Amino acid sequence: AQSVTQPDIHITVSEGASLELRCNYSYGATPYLFWYVQSPGQGLQLLLKYFSGDTLVQGIKGFEAEFKRSQSSFNLRKPSVHWSDAAEYFCAVVSTNAGKSTFGDGTTLTVKP
Amino acid sequence: DGGITQSPKYLFRKEGQNVTLSCEQNLNHDAMYWYRQDPGQGLRLIYYSQIVNDFQKGDIAEGYSVSREKKESFPLTVTSAQKNPTAFYLCASSRTGAGDEKLFFGSGTQLSVL
Repeated sequence: AQSVTQPDIHITVSEGASLELRCNYSYGATPYLFWYVQSPGQGLQLLLKYFSGDTLVQGIKGFEAEFKRSQSSFNLRKPSVHWSDAAEYFCAVVSTNAGKSTFGDGTTLTVKP
Repeated sequence: DGGITQSPKYLFRKEGQNVTLSCEQNLNHDAMYWYRQDPGQGLRLIYYSQIVNDFQKGDIAEGYSVSREKKESFPLTVTSAQKNPTAFYLCASSRTGAGDEKLFFGSGTQLSVL
């Protein structure tokens, strides 16, 4: 069965600092990988996704993620964090033959002024 | 604007009562999903439907029921058999249900027990 681990429950960074949120997955083949962001009391919004090809993918709001097959990881990065990036971030894996998404437990990002 | 509408935003349930959460989409999507979110946890799939008049159980379907009589609507009923219903419920849709499609989410319904 597929699974997703987000090792960091909570991360605090200063505004303008760089950010990396970790995501590790377990799946028998190369899955579809997604990062979503959730503001408090709201639904989730897609940041970026990876299916195949270039392992570095660009998303909205200046985010990027790198797929590393050898490490079963899909870490999310941003070079300079803005206060508006404070939110909860979810990594999700989707099996290529079933279409069902499995989400990690999320990482809450706090941005210090 | 196209999107997913969930109502109500907040809902309270009394002991032994069934309550129904509404989810409507005008995106013309075939697939619709219900997720449950508890604090500090990720989303867990309750039910999903990839076509009208058909739906499948997700990972935590016990105590819940759904219907899909119309393409645009996928209501979720939380029955009295669900002993711990307090959670944030999210409805989502995707164009066909294929794995490479992103999910579009509603704004959620917070259900609490009185």
